[in-house]
Amino acid sequence: SAVISQKPSRDICQRGTSLTIQCQVDSQVTMMFWYRQQPGQSLTLIATANQGSEATYESGFVIDKFPISRPNLTFSTLTVSNMSPEDSSIYLCSAFPQVLSEAFFGQGTRLTVV
Amino acid sequence: GIQVEQSPPDLILQEGANSTLRCNFSDSVNNLQWFHQNPWGQLINLFYIPSGTKQNGRLSATTVATERYSLLYISSSQTTDSGVYFCAVEGRSGNTPLVFGKGTRLSVIA
Repeated sequence: SAVISQKPSRDICQRGTSLTIQCQVDSQVTMMFWYRQQPGQSLTLIATANQGSEATYESGFVIDKFPISRPNLTFSTLTVSNMSPEDSSIYLCSAFPQVLSEAFFGQGTRLTVV
Repeated sequence: GIQVEQSPPDLILQEGANSTLRCNFSDSVNNLQWFHQNPWGQLINLFYIPSGTKQNGRLSATTVATERYSLLYISSSQTTDSGVYFCAVEGRSGNTPLVFGKGTRLSVIA
């Protein structure tokens, strides 16, 4: 099994500020995925992050609001920019350590915007 | 894209009871996983089960890929089983992100 370390685990932020979430995988992976889970809802994919190229965003998510970095094969960051209370959610990163295997998730970042 | 439906949406059990959670999906899949989300938001991998049957303690899962459904069985439920159970699938094209169902919220009462 893979270990995916995500931090911070939780934060309370002022509206209008930005927060960067970090995700570290203990093995090299081709793609990493970022999800958002709004209160009481399921997980929704924000974007797919490939090393060496721009992230691919899902409908409803834009790079200006959720910039993503992928500097190497084990690390990625997601920034939530210009936050509003509607951004209060759990954010999770994920990866498949091996092809045709199970996906693993980081511990999640519980974000509250006040 | 692929659709994932879970039932029931909510379930309340007395401690010691058994339950079955269902996951239907709309297309062929490479991967199907069951997760338990604990109260702190962490997703715990329960099963990686694109087909067949697996058991782990009081939990077991069966996926019938040809009929596009999976079942998660919880026997002798305990209060620590409470939380949300998610089914998630990866489409046939492979190396694509998991698509999640809406989950089943389970409450086990003593």
